[in-house]
Amino acid sequence: GQNIDQPTEMTATEGAIVQINCTYQTSGFNGLFWYQQHAGEAPTFLSYNVLDGLEEKGRFSSFLSRSKGYSYLLLKELQMKDSASYLCAVRDRGDYKLSFGAGTTVTVRA
Amino acid sequence: DTEVTQTPKHLVMGMTNKKSLKCEQHMGHRAMYWYKQKAKKPPELMFVYSYEKLSINESVPSRFSPECPNSSLLNLHLHALQPEDSALYLCASSQPPGQETEAFFGQGTRLTVV
Repeated sequence: GQNIDQPTEMTATEGAIVQINCTYQTSGFNGLFWYQQHAGEAPTFLSYNVLDGLEEKGRFSSFLSRSKGYSYLLLKELQMKDSASYLCAVRDRGDYKLSFGAGTTVTVRA
Repeated sequence: DTEVTQTPKHLVMGMTNKKSLKCEQHMGHRAMYWYKQKAKKPPELMFVYSYEKLSINESVPSRFSPECPNSSLLNLHLHALQPEDSALYLCASSQPPGQETEAFFGQGTRLTVV
């Protein structure tokens, strides 16, 4: 199984940058996902990393280091609508489990 | 098309009722998932189907019964639920390991058991 850790809460100012870290331990790794979830809504897919390095998608970037069991999600030019919970999820090789961290609540202030 | 469609969006049911949640995807994904999410908690895995066969059951009570009629559809049959089963039920799909692709969620069914 997986042991996935991410900070509980983060606060940042509109226009700033925030980095959400995620560490994981897994018996077999087959991809790391980041999702955004607004209160009362379903998770929305943001990014997927299976190889080491940085994936950039507009204002959002995600980084993976498999040897360190580490990923981060970078949110740039923060907007008020980015206030949400951000979920790190790891897929295990050998089965199809997609397991989630507890989520990081990001609050963007004006 | 990267859409996973769940119906209904909202469901209120009594403890003696029988109801079903439905999930559909047309991305050709061969792995489909049911998750349960309580407020302010991460999604918890319930079931995984791979190639239309149940591959994981996370010790879910038998009052929840999954079904995968074909590669595009996933159902969750509900019977004799308890008020504590009230939650957001999420369906997701992806390709199985070895075919690295994204995993997408439906909009969920918000279930209230009265």
